[in-house]
Amino acid sequence: EADIYQTPRYLVIGTGKKITLECSQTMGHDKMYWYQQDPGMELHLIHYSYGVNSTEKGDLSSESTVSRIRTEHFPLTLESARPSHTSQYLCASSGLSYGYTFGSGTRLTVV
Amino acid sequence: AQSVTQLDSQVPVFEEAPVELRCNYSSSVSVYLFWYVQYPNQGLQLLLKYLSGSTLVKGINGFEAEFNKSQTSFHLRKPSVHISDTAEYFCAVTLQAGTALIFGKGTTLSVSS
Repeated sequence: EADIYQTPRYLVIGTGKKITLECSQTMGHDKMYWYQQDPGMELHLIHYSYGVNSTEKGDLSSESTVSRIRTEHFPLTLESARPSHTSQYLCASSGLSYGYTFGSGTRLTVV
Repeated sequence: AQSVTQLDSQVPVFEEAPVELRCNYSSSVSVYLFWYVQYPNQGLQLLLKYLSGSTLVKGINGFEAEFNKSQTSFHLRKPSVHISDTAEYFCAVTLQAGTALIFGKGTTLSVSS
């Protein structure tokens, strides 16, 4: 079954560490997105990509970076994690229709 | 730019009661509207979407929503809720296929017996 996968599901790391959150989809979707979800639930768009080698920043400023070297893969990297980065990160993709599919999320805790 | 306002942050109801979760949007052009549900420690699951046509949209799990262009609203309803409907509910909007969804702040639906 076509789906979107995020790893890891949970991550606890120390301040200053470099981390990469993985996101892969099997649907061949050109468009992919990263959302940051506050503990209070609100979802903010932090990065998006409309195709290979195309990435843009979203509405919420983020110290993270993304890359899109392959259609199916859209990893998010934090060069130096800080406690303020503690949040849930949700990856999504969409195709030609209005079907948006979300991954299960990565819950990141920086201590 | 478009925006979404979910008018209630928390909605407590008893099992088998009806419920309405309210969503208003702001946009000067035509929009496409969505409702998602999020269960604890999970991603978002699509409940229903309005793209065009009939203003009454039926979704999964017995939910439905009505698009009201004059009131710029897209309220979600269910005639009889179950304990299992306890979750976070998000209203979202986009202007065209494939552009990023813009979400409201979410509504926590708590169903008790």
